[in-house]
Amino acid sequence: GAVVSQHPSRVICKSGTSVKIECRSLDFQATTMFWYRQFPKQSLMLMATSNEGSKATYEQGVEKDKFLINHASLTLSTLTVTSAHPEDSSFYICSAQDGGGREKLFFGSGTQLSVL
Amino acid sequence: DAKTTQPPSMDCAEGRAANLPCNHSTISGNEYVYWYRQIHSQGPQYIIHGLKNNETNEMASLIITEDRKSSTLILPHATLRDTAVYYCIVTGSGDKLTFGTGTRLAVRP
Repeated sequence: GAVVSQHPSRVICKSGTSVKIECRSLDFQATTMFWYRQFPKQSLMLMATSNEGSKATYEQGVEKDKFLINHASLTLSTLTVTSAHPEDSSFYICSAQDGGGREKLFFGSGTQLSVL
Repeated sequence: DAKTTQPPSMDCAEGRAANLPCNHSTISGNEYVYWYRQIHSQGPQYIIHGLKNNETNEMASLIITEDRKSSTLILPHATLRDTAVYYCIVTGSGDKLTFGTGTRLAVRP
């Protein structure tokens, strides 16, 4: 099956620093990737939709200047958490769509971000 | 807003079938029913999806009622490794997936 690789799996950083998370589709091209955030014991919350070659579409309440998304190629999207603060500590998950339309989404293994 | 309703938790005995229900009474004609599961601290895993016909794959079966207002995911022989949160999602073509609260399935030895 299709594989989505997400790195790093875990990162600890100091408050005020920036952290970049990579999401790669390994054996298919993904024109659309999605970024989710999940707090403990809660469901996944969609943050933004990343489209290759164009600006990301952010969900209401998600700061686009804080969560920078770049989707420069059909196999790579990155999420940069800028000037991270402890409240940004969360589990970040990316997903990629294999094909268009009704194709299923494949998810990365997630990145646990801890901001001290 | 999630368009589905699932029981918050269920349990079943190892080796028995696990039947997870989902209500989606406002589903529209072009929307599919998807099932994903999430094992603790991992990304969601695709299980199965369908439009109106029942579906079966190596992981599970999906039974959709004739009026499409509800469905049931069936894990025919649950194992301890099937312990996870199961999400039922209704979505249209090309739409984003919106996760509800899911059902926490506990498989007991």
